[in-house]
Amino acid sequence: NAGVTQTPKFQVLKTGQSMTLQCAQDMNHEYMSWYRQDPGMGLRLIHYSVGAGITDQGEVPNGYNVSRSTTEDFPLRLLSAAPSQTSVYFCASRRQDRGQSYTFGSGTRLTVV
Amino acid sequence: EDKVVQSPLSLVVHEGDTVTLNCSYEVTNFRSLLWYKQEKKAPTFLFMLTSSGIEKKSGRLSSILDKKELSSILNITATQTGDSAIYLCAVEDFGNEKLTFGTGTRLTIIP
Repeated sequence: NAGVTQTPKFQVLKTGQSMTLQCAQDMNHEYMSWYRQDPGMGLRLIHYSVGAGITDQGEVPNGYNVSRSTTEDFPLRLLSAAPSQTSVYFCASRRQDRGQSYTFGSGTRLTVV
Repeated sequence: EDKVVQSPLSLVVHEGDTVTLNCSYEVTNFRSLLWYKQEKKAPTFLFMLTSSGIEKKSGRLSSILDKKELSSILNITATQTGDSAIYLCAVEDFGNEKLTFGTGTRLTIIP
């Protein structure tokens, strides 16, 4: 049981490049979310999904796209990377049942130069 | 907009000391408050507190929810160097599936 798997672990992009951060979970969790973590800012929600085919925006969605074609996968796309998107990105998932906590992936450290 | 404030921002204590971390929140329709521990990588779940479960304990860690004061504390007794981490507090609102996090408390335990 791998839990929540994020790839890559590290990435350096040039301004204007695009890329996709991958997130996969094998726990059959309905809910999945993307967070970014910046020094002094805590974890901020980018996008989330309550099931396949359903996504919604979080607190800081600008510059990011998501899709949820399967229960297992929830990729995060950066359309045109900017230095302000330098951050650590975490994917998390949980079951729909009440009282369940989120399980986090190990994170992707992204630097945009 | 939901809001979570944690204090102190950082704390340095000696091994064996007892520490209390604070979390206050504003949320439209409270569902739960969660505590996570973050070492080098992913946050790991510690406790979930709800209206029906306002006190939790696991070994040397315990947490209490005060719904009247809209706050929670996390206590760690007989601290060890392995307790050094960032402790995150988050609240969940009914009606959506979003967690709102505080900025965390960085705890450092000196041997």
